[in-house]
Amino acid sequence: AQSVTQPDIHITVSEGASLELRCNYSYGATPYLFWYVQSPGQGLQLLLKYFSGDTLVQGIKGFEAEFKRSQSSFNLRKPSVHWSDAAEYFCAVGRFQGAQKLVFGQGTRLTINP
Amino acid sequence: DAGVIQSPRHEVTEMGQEVTLRCKPISGHNSLFWYRQTMMRGLELLIYFNNNVPIDDSGMPEDRFSAKMPNASFSTLKIQPSEPRDSAVYFCASRPVRRGLPLRISGANVLTFGAGSRLTVL
Repeated sequence: AQSVTQPDIHITVSEGASLELRCNYSYGATPYLFWYVQSPGQGLQLLLKYFSGDTLVQGIKGFEAEFKRSQSSFNLRKPSVHWSDAAEYFCAVGRFQGAQKLVFGQGTRLTINP
Repeated sequence: DAGVIQSPRHEVTEMGQEVTLRCKPISGHNSLFWYRQTMMRGLELLIYFNNNVPIDDSGMPEDRFSAKMPNASFSTLKIQPSEPRDSAVYFCASRPVRRGLPLRISGANVLTFGAGSRLTVL
């Protein structure tokens, strides 16, 4: 069964600093990988996704993520964070074929210092 | 497009009462999911439907929980009787499922979430 681990429960960075949120997955075949963001009191919004092809994927709001099969990782990055990026971030994995269910990580809460 | 619409946004009820949460998926999306979010367990898939048919309800915690999708534009999640441990945020999500296209092309696995229904059971 697939699983997702986000090792960092809470991260604090200064505005303008770079950001990397870690995600490791466990899955025996080619996965679909996603990053979602959840602002307080809101639903989850898709930031980016990886299905196949180029392992560096670009998303909305200046985010990118890199799929590294050898490390079973799909880390999310942003070169310079803005105060509005404060939110909770979820990594998710789905099956490649007949994919129906997504399994989510526990989430990483991002706090931005002014 | 108004997105996935959930109601109520907030509900506070007493233990033992029946709770009904509602969801209107995006028009044209024929796959619908109910998730529950708690601090302890994170996001858990409760049940999902394809073309109004329940496909997998293995995540439904107990018989007190039931979900229906009477038509393509409406689904309910019902808890009867409710208990304090049911307190959580319940999310509905939908996505299109396009037959005949590989998922990597159709992007059919992209879920769109509603804003959630926050349930508090006293």
